[in-house]
Amino acid sequence: DSGVTQTPKHLITATGQRVTLRCSPRSGDLSVYWYQQSLDQGLQFLIQYYNGEERAKGNILERFSAQQFPDLHSELNLSSLELGDSALYFCASSVAGVYNEQFFGPGTRLTVL
Amino acid sequence: QQQVKQSPQSLIVQKGGISIINCAYENTAFDYFPWYQQFPGKGPALLIAIRPDVSEKKEGRFTISFNKSAKQFSLHIMDSQPGDSATYFCAALETGTASKLTFGTGTRLQVTL
Repeated sequence: DSGVTQTPKHLITATGQRVTLRCSPRSGDLSVYWYQQSLDQGLQFLIQYYNGEERAKGNILERFSAQQFPDLHSELNLSSLELGDSALYFCASSVAGVYNEQFFGPGTRLTVL
Repeated sequence: QQQVKQSPQSLIVQKGGISIINCAYENTAFDYFPWYQQFPGKGPALLIAIRPDVSEKKEGRFTISFNKSAKQFSLHIMDSQPGDSATYFCAALETGTASKLTFGTGTRLQVTL
């Protein structure tokens, strides 16, 4: 158990809908990262937050957004969902440091029908 | 652009044998190289990591070999066990303000009896 929690574990929804994925980082970790894992794209970095501020963006679609709250939990919002958004979404956290060891949560499996 | 190339895609090793997975990177600014182990339905778990100032790091049965000039690094699993059967991902990170991991495509390892 990495100490990172994610909810829900599974999510099934329809095209065009909007969903919110939630992540609680390990105690003391200030950085939260979101990754998408799909069969064709592998593990792809989406976005990073550090202590409430956006720090880096990767291959994140404009339909997707995220935020980190004062209690350091983070939410990833996916809107106007398409079939191709079906994937595993992982949250990771790290303590701010020179070499940021990232610890991953169990993921949320999103299925868009 | 695939910045971290991983091979092989799949690997079958007999129990007690040595499993070797290779990765090559392009971005010379990468300065932290972790390996992650992922079991089905779980998030990636940090296994071992190396910095470019050392050529080898060993933790139990797991060893990373690093060749800075060739921009290559590899994971060796000694005395492979059936419980090691999982997907292994190499990754690279450019530390600084944006510590996003760039992952290889993964290697599915099967250790047979």
